[in-house]
Amino acid sequence: QVQLVQSGAEVKKPGASVKVSCKASGYTFGAFVVHWVRQGPGQRLEWMGWVNSGNGHTRYSQKFQGRVTFTWDTSATTAYMELSGLTSEDTGVYFCARGFAKLVVVDYWGQGALVTVSS
Amino acid sequence: QSVLTQPPSVSGAPGQSVTISCTGNSSNIGAPYDVPWYQQVPGTAPKLLIYDTNKRPSGVPDRFSGSKSGTSASLTIAGLLPEDEAYYYCQSYDSSLRDMVFGGGTKVTVL
Repeated sequence: QVQLVQSGAEVKKPGASVKVSCKASGYTFGAFVVHWVRQGPGQRLEWMGWVNSGNGHTRYSQKFQGRVTFTWDTSATTAYMELSGLTSEDTGVYFCARGFAKLVVVDYWGQGALVTVSS
Repeated sequence: QSVLTQPPSVSGAPGQSVTISCTGNSSNIGAPYDVPWYQQVPGTAPKLLIYDTNKRPSGVPDRFSGSKSGTSASLTIAGLLPEDEAYYYCQSYDSSLRDMVFGGGTKVTVL
């Protein structure tokens, strides 16, 4: 069965960076894209972007452009999201989710990784 | 402020139906893009409920249905059950922003 398992909770200081991993299993990793979505304390979902490991394409949301980097390790079927220049407003749960090139829908989600930014 | 507007909350008694609206504009819902819906129980990940406007993944009861008209989309839950208490989110693509966008979420309460 399709599973996306994310790394654990992190506590970071303002100005630091965080890297969250998303281990995929149960499907052909490169045949799907991986989206990253953030959920802040107010429950709102924010799309951060997607990465297509099959062709190397990435798309970053305008809000996060310049601060976020998506990478992947095909052999480990794992995607990574690194966010730099953290502020308290970056506190939230970061989800990875499986999607399809040229489609809106995402069908499977990781369990989420809580990132807390505090001095 | 979300690009897609949803009511913050709706409620209904067990067995009743509720409808959640999702309002956008001509760059997102009014354009030929899908409007999926997700259900999220607090503390867990969102779960896909509706895609291709009105298709359900395997395992999603047919009590859940979606529709789209003009610049709005709707999710209807028929025959409310206590386990339907959750947050519900709509999603689309916005061609002006060139970003995926989500609604602000609607909390459904079963009275």
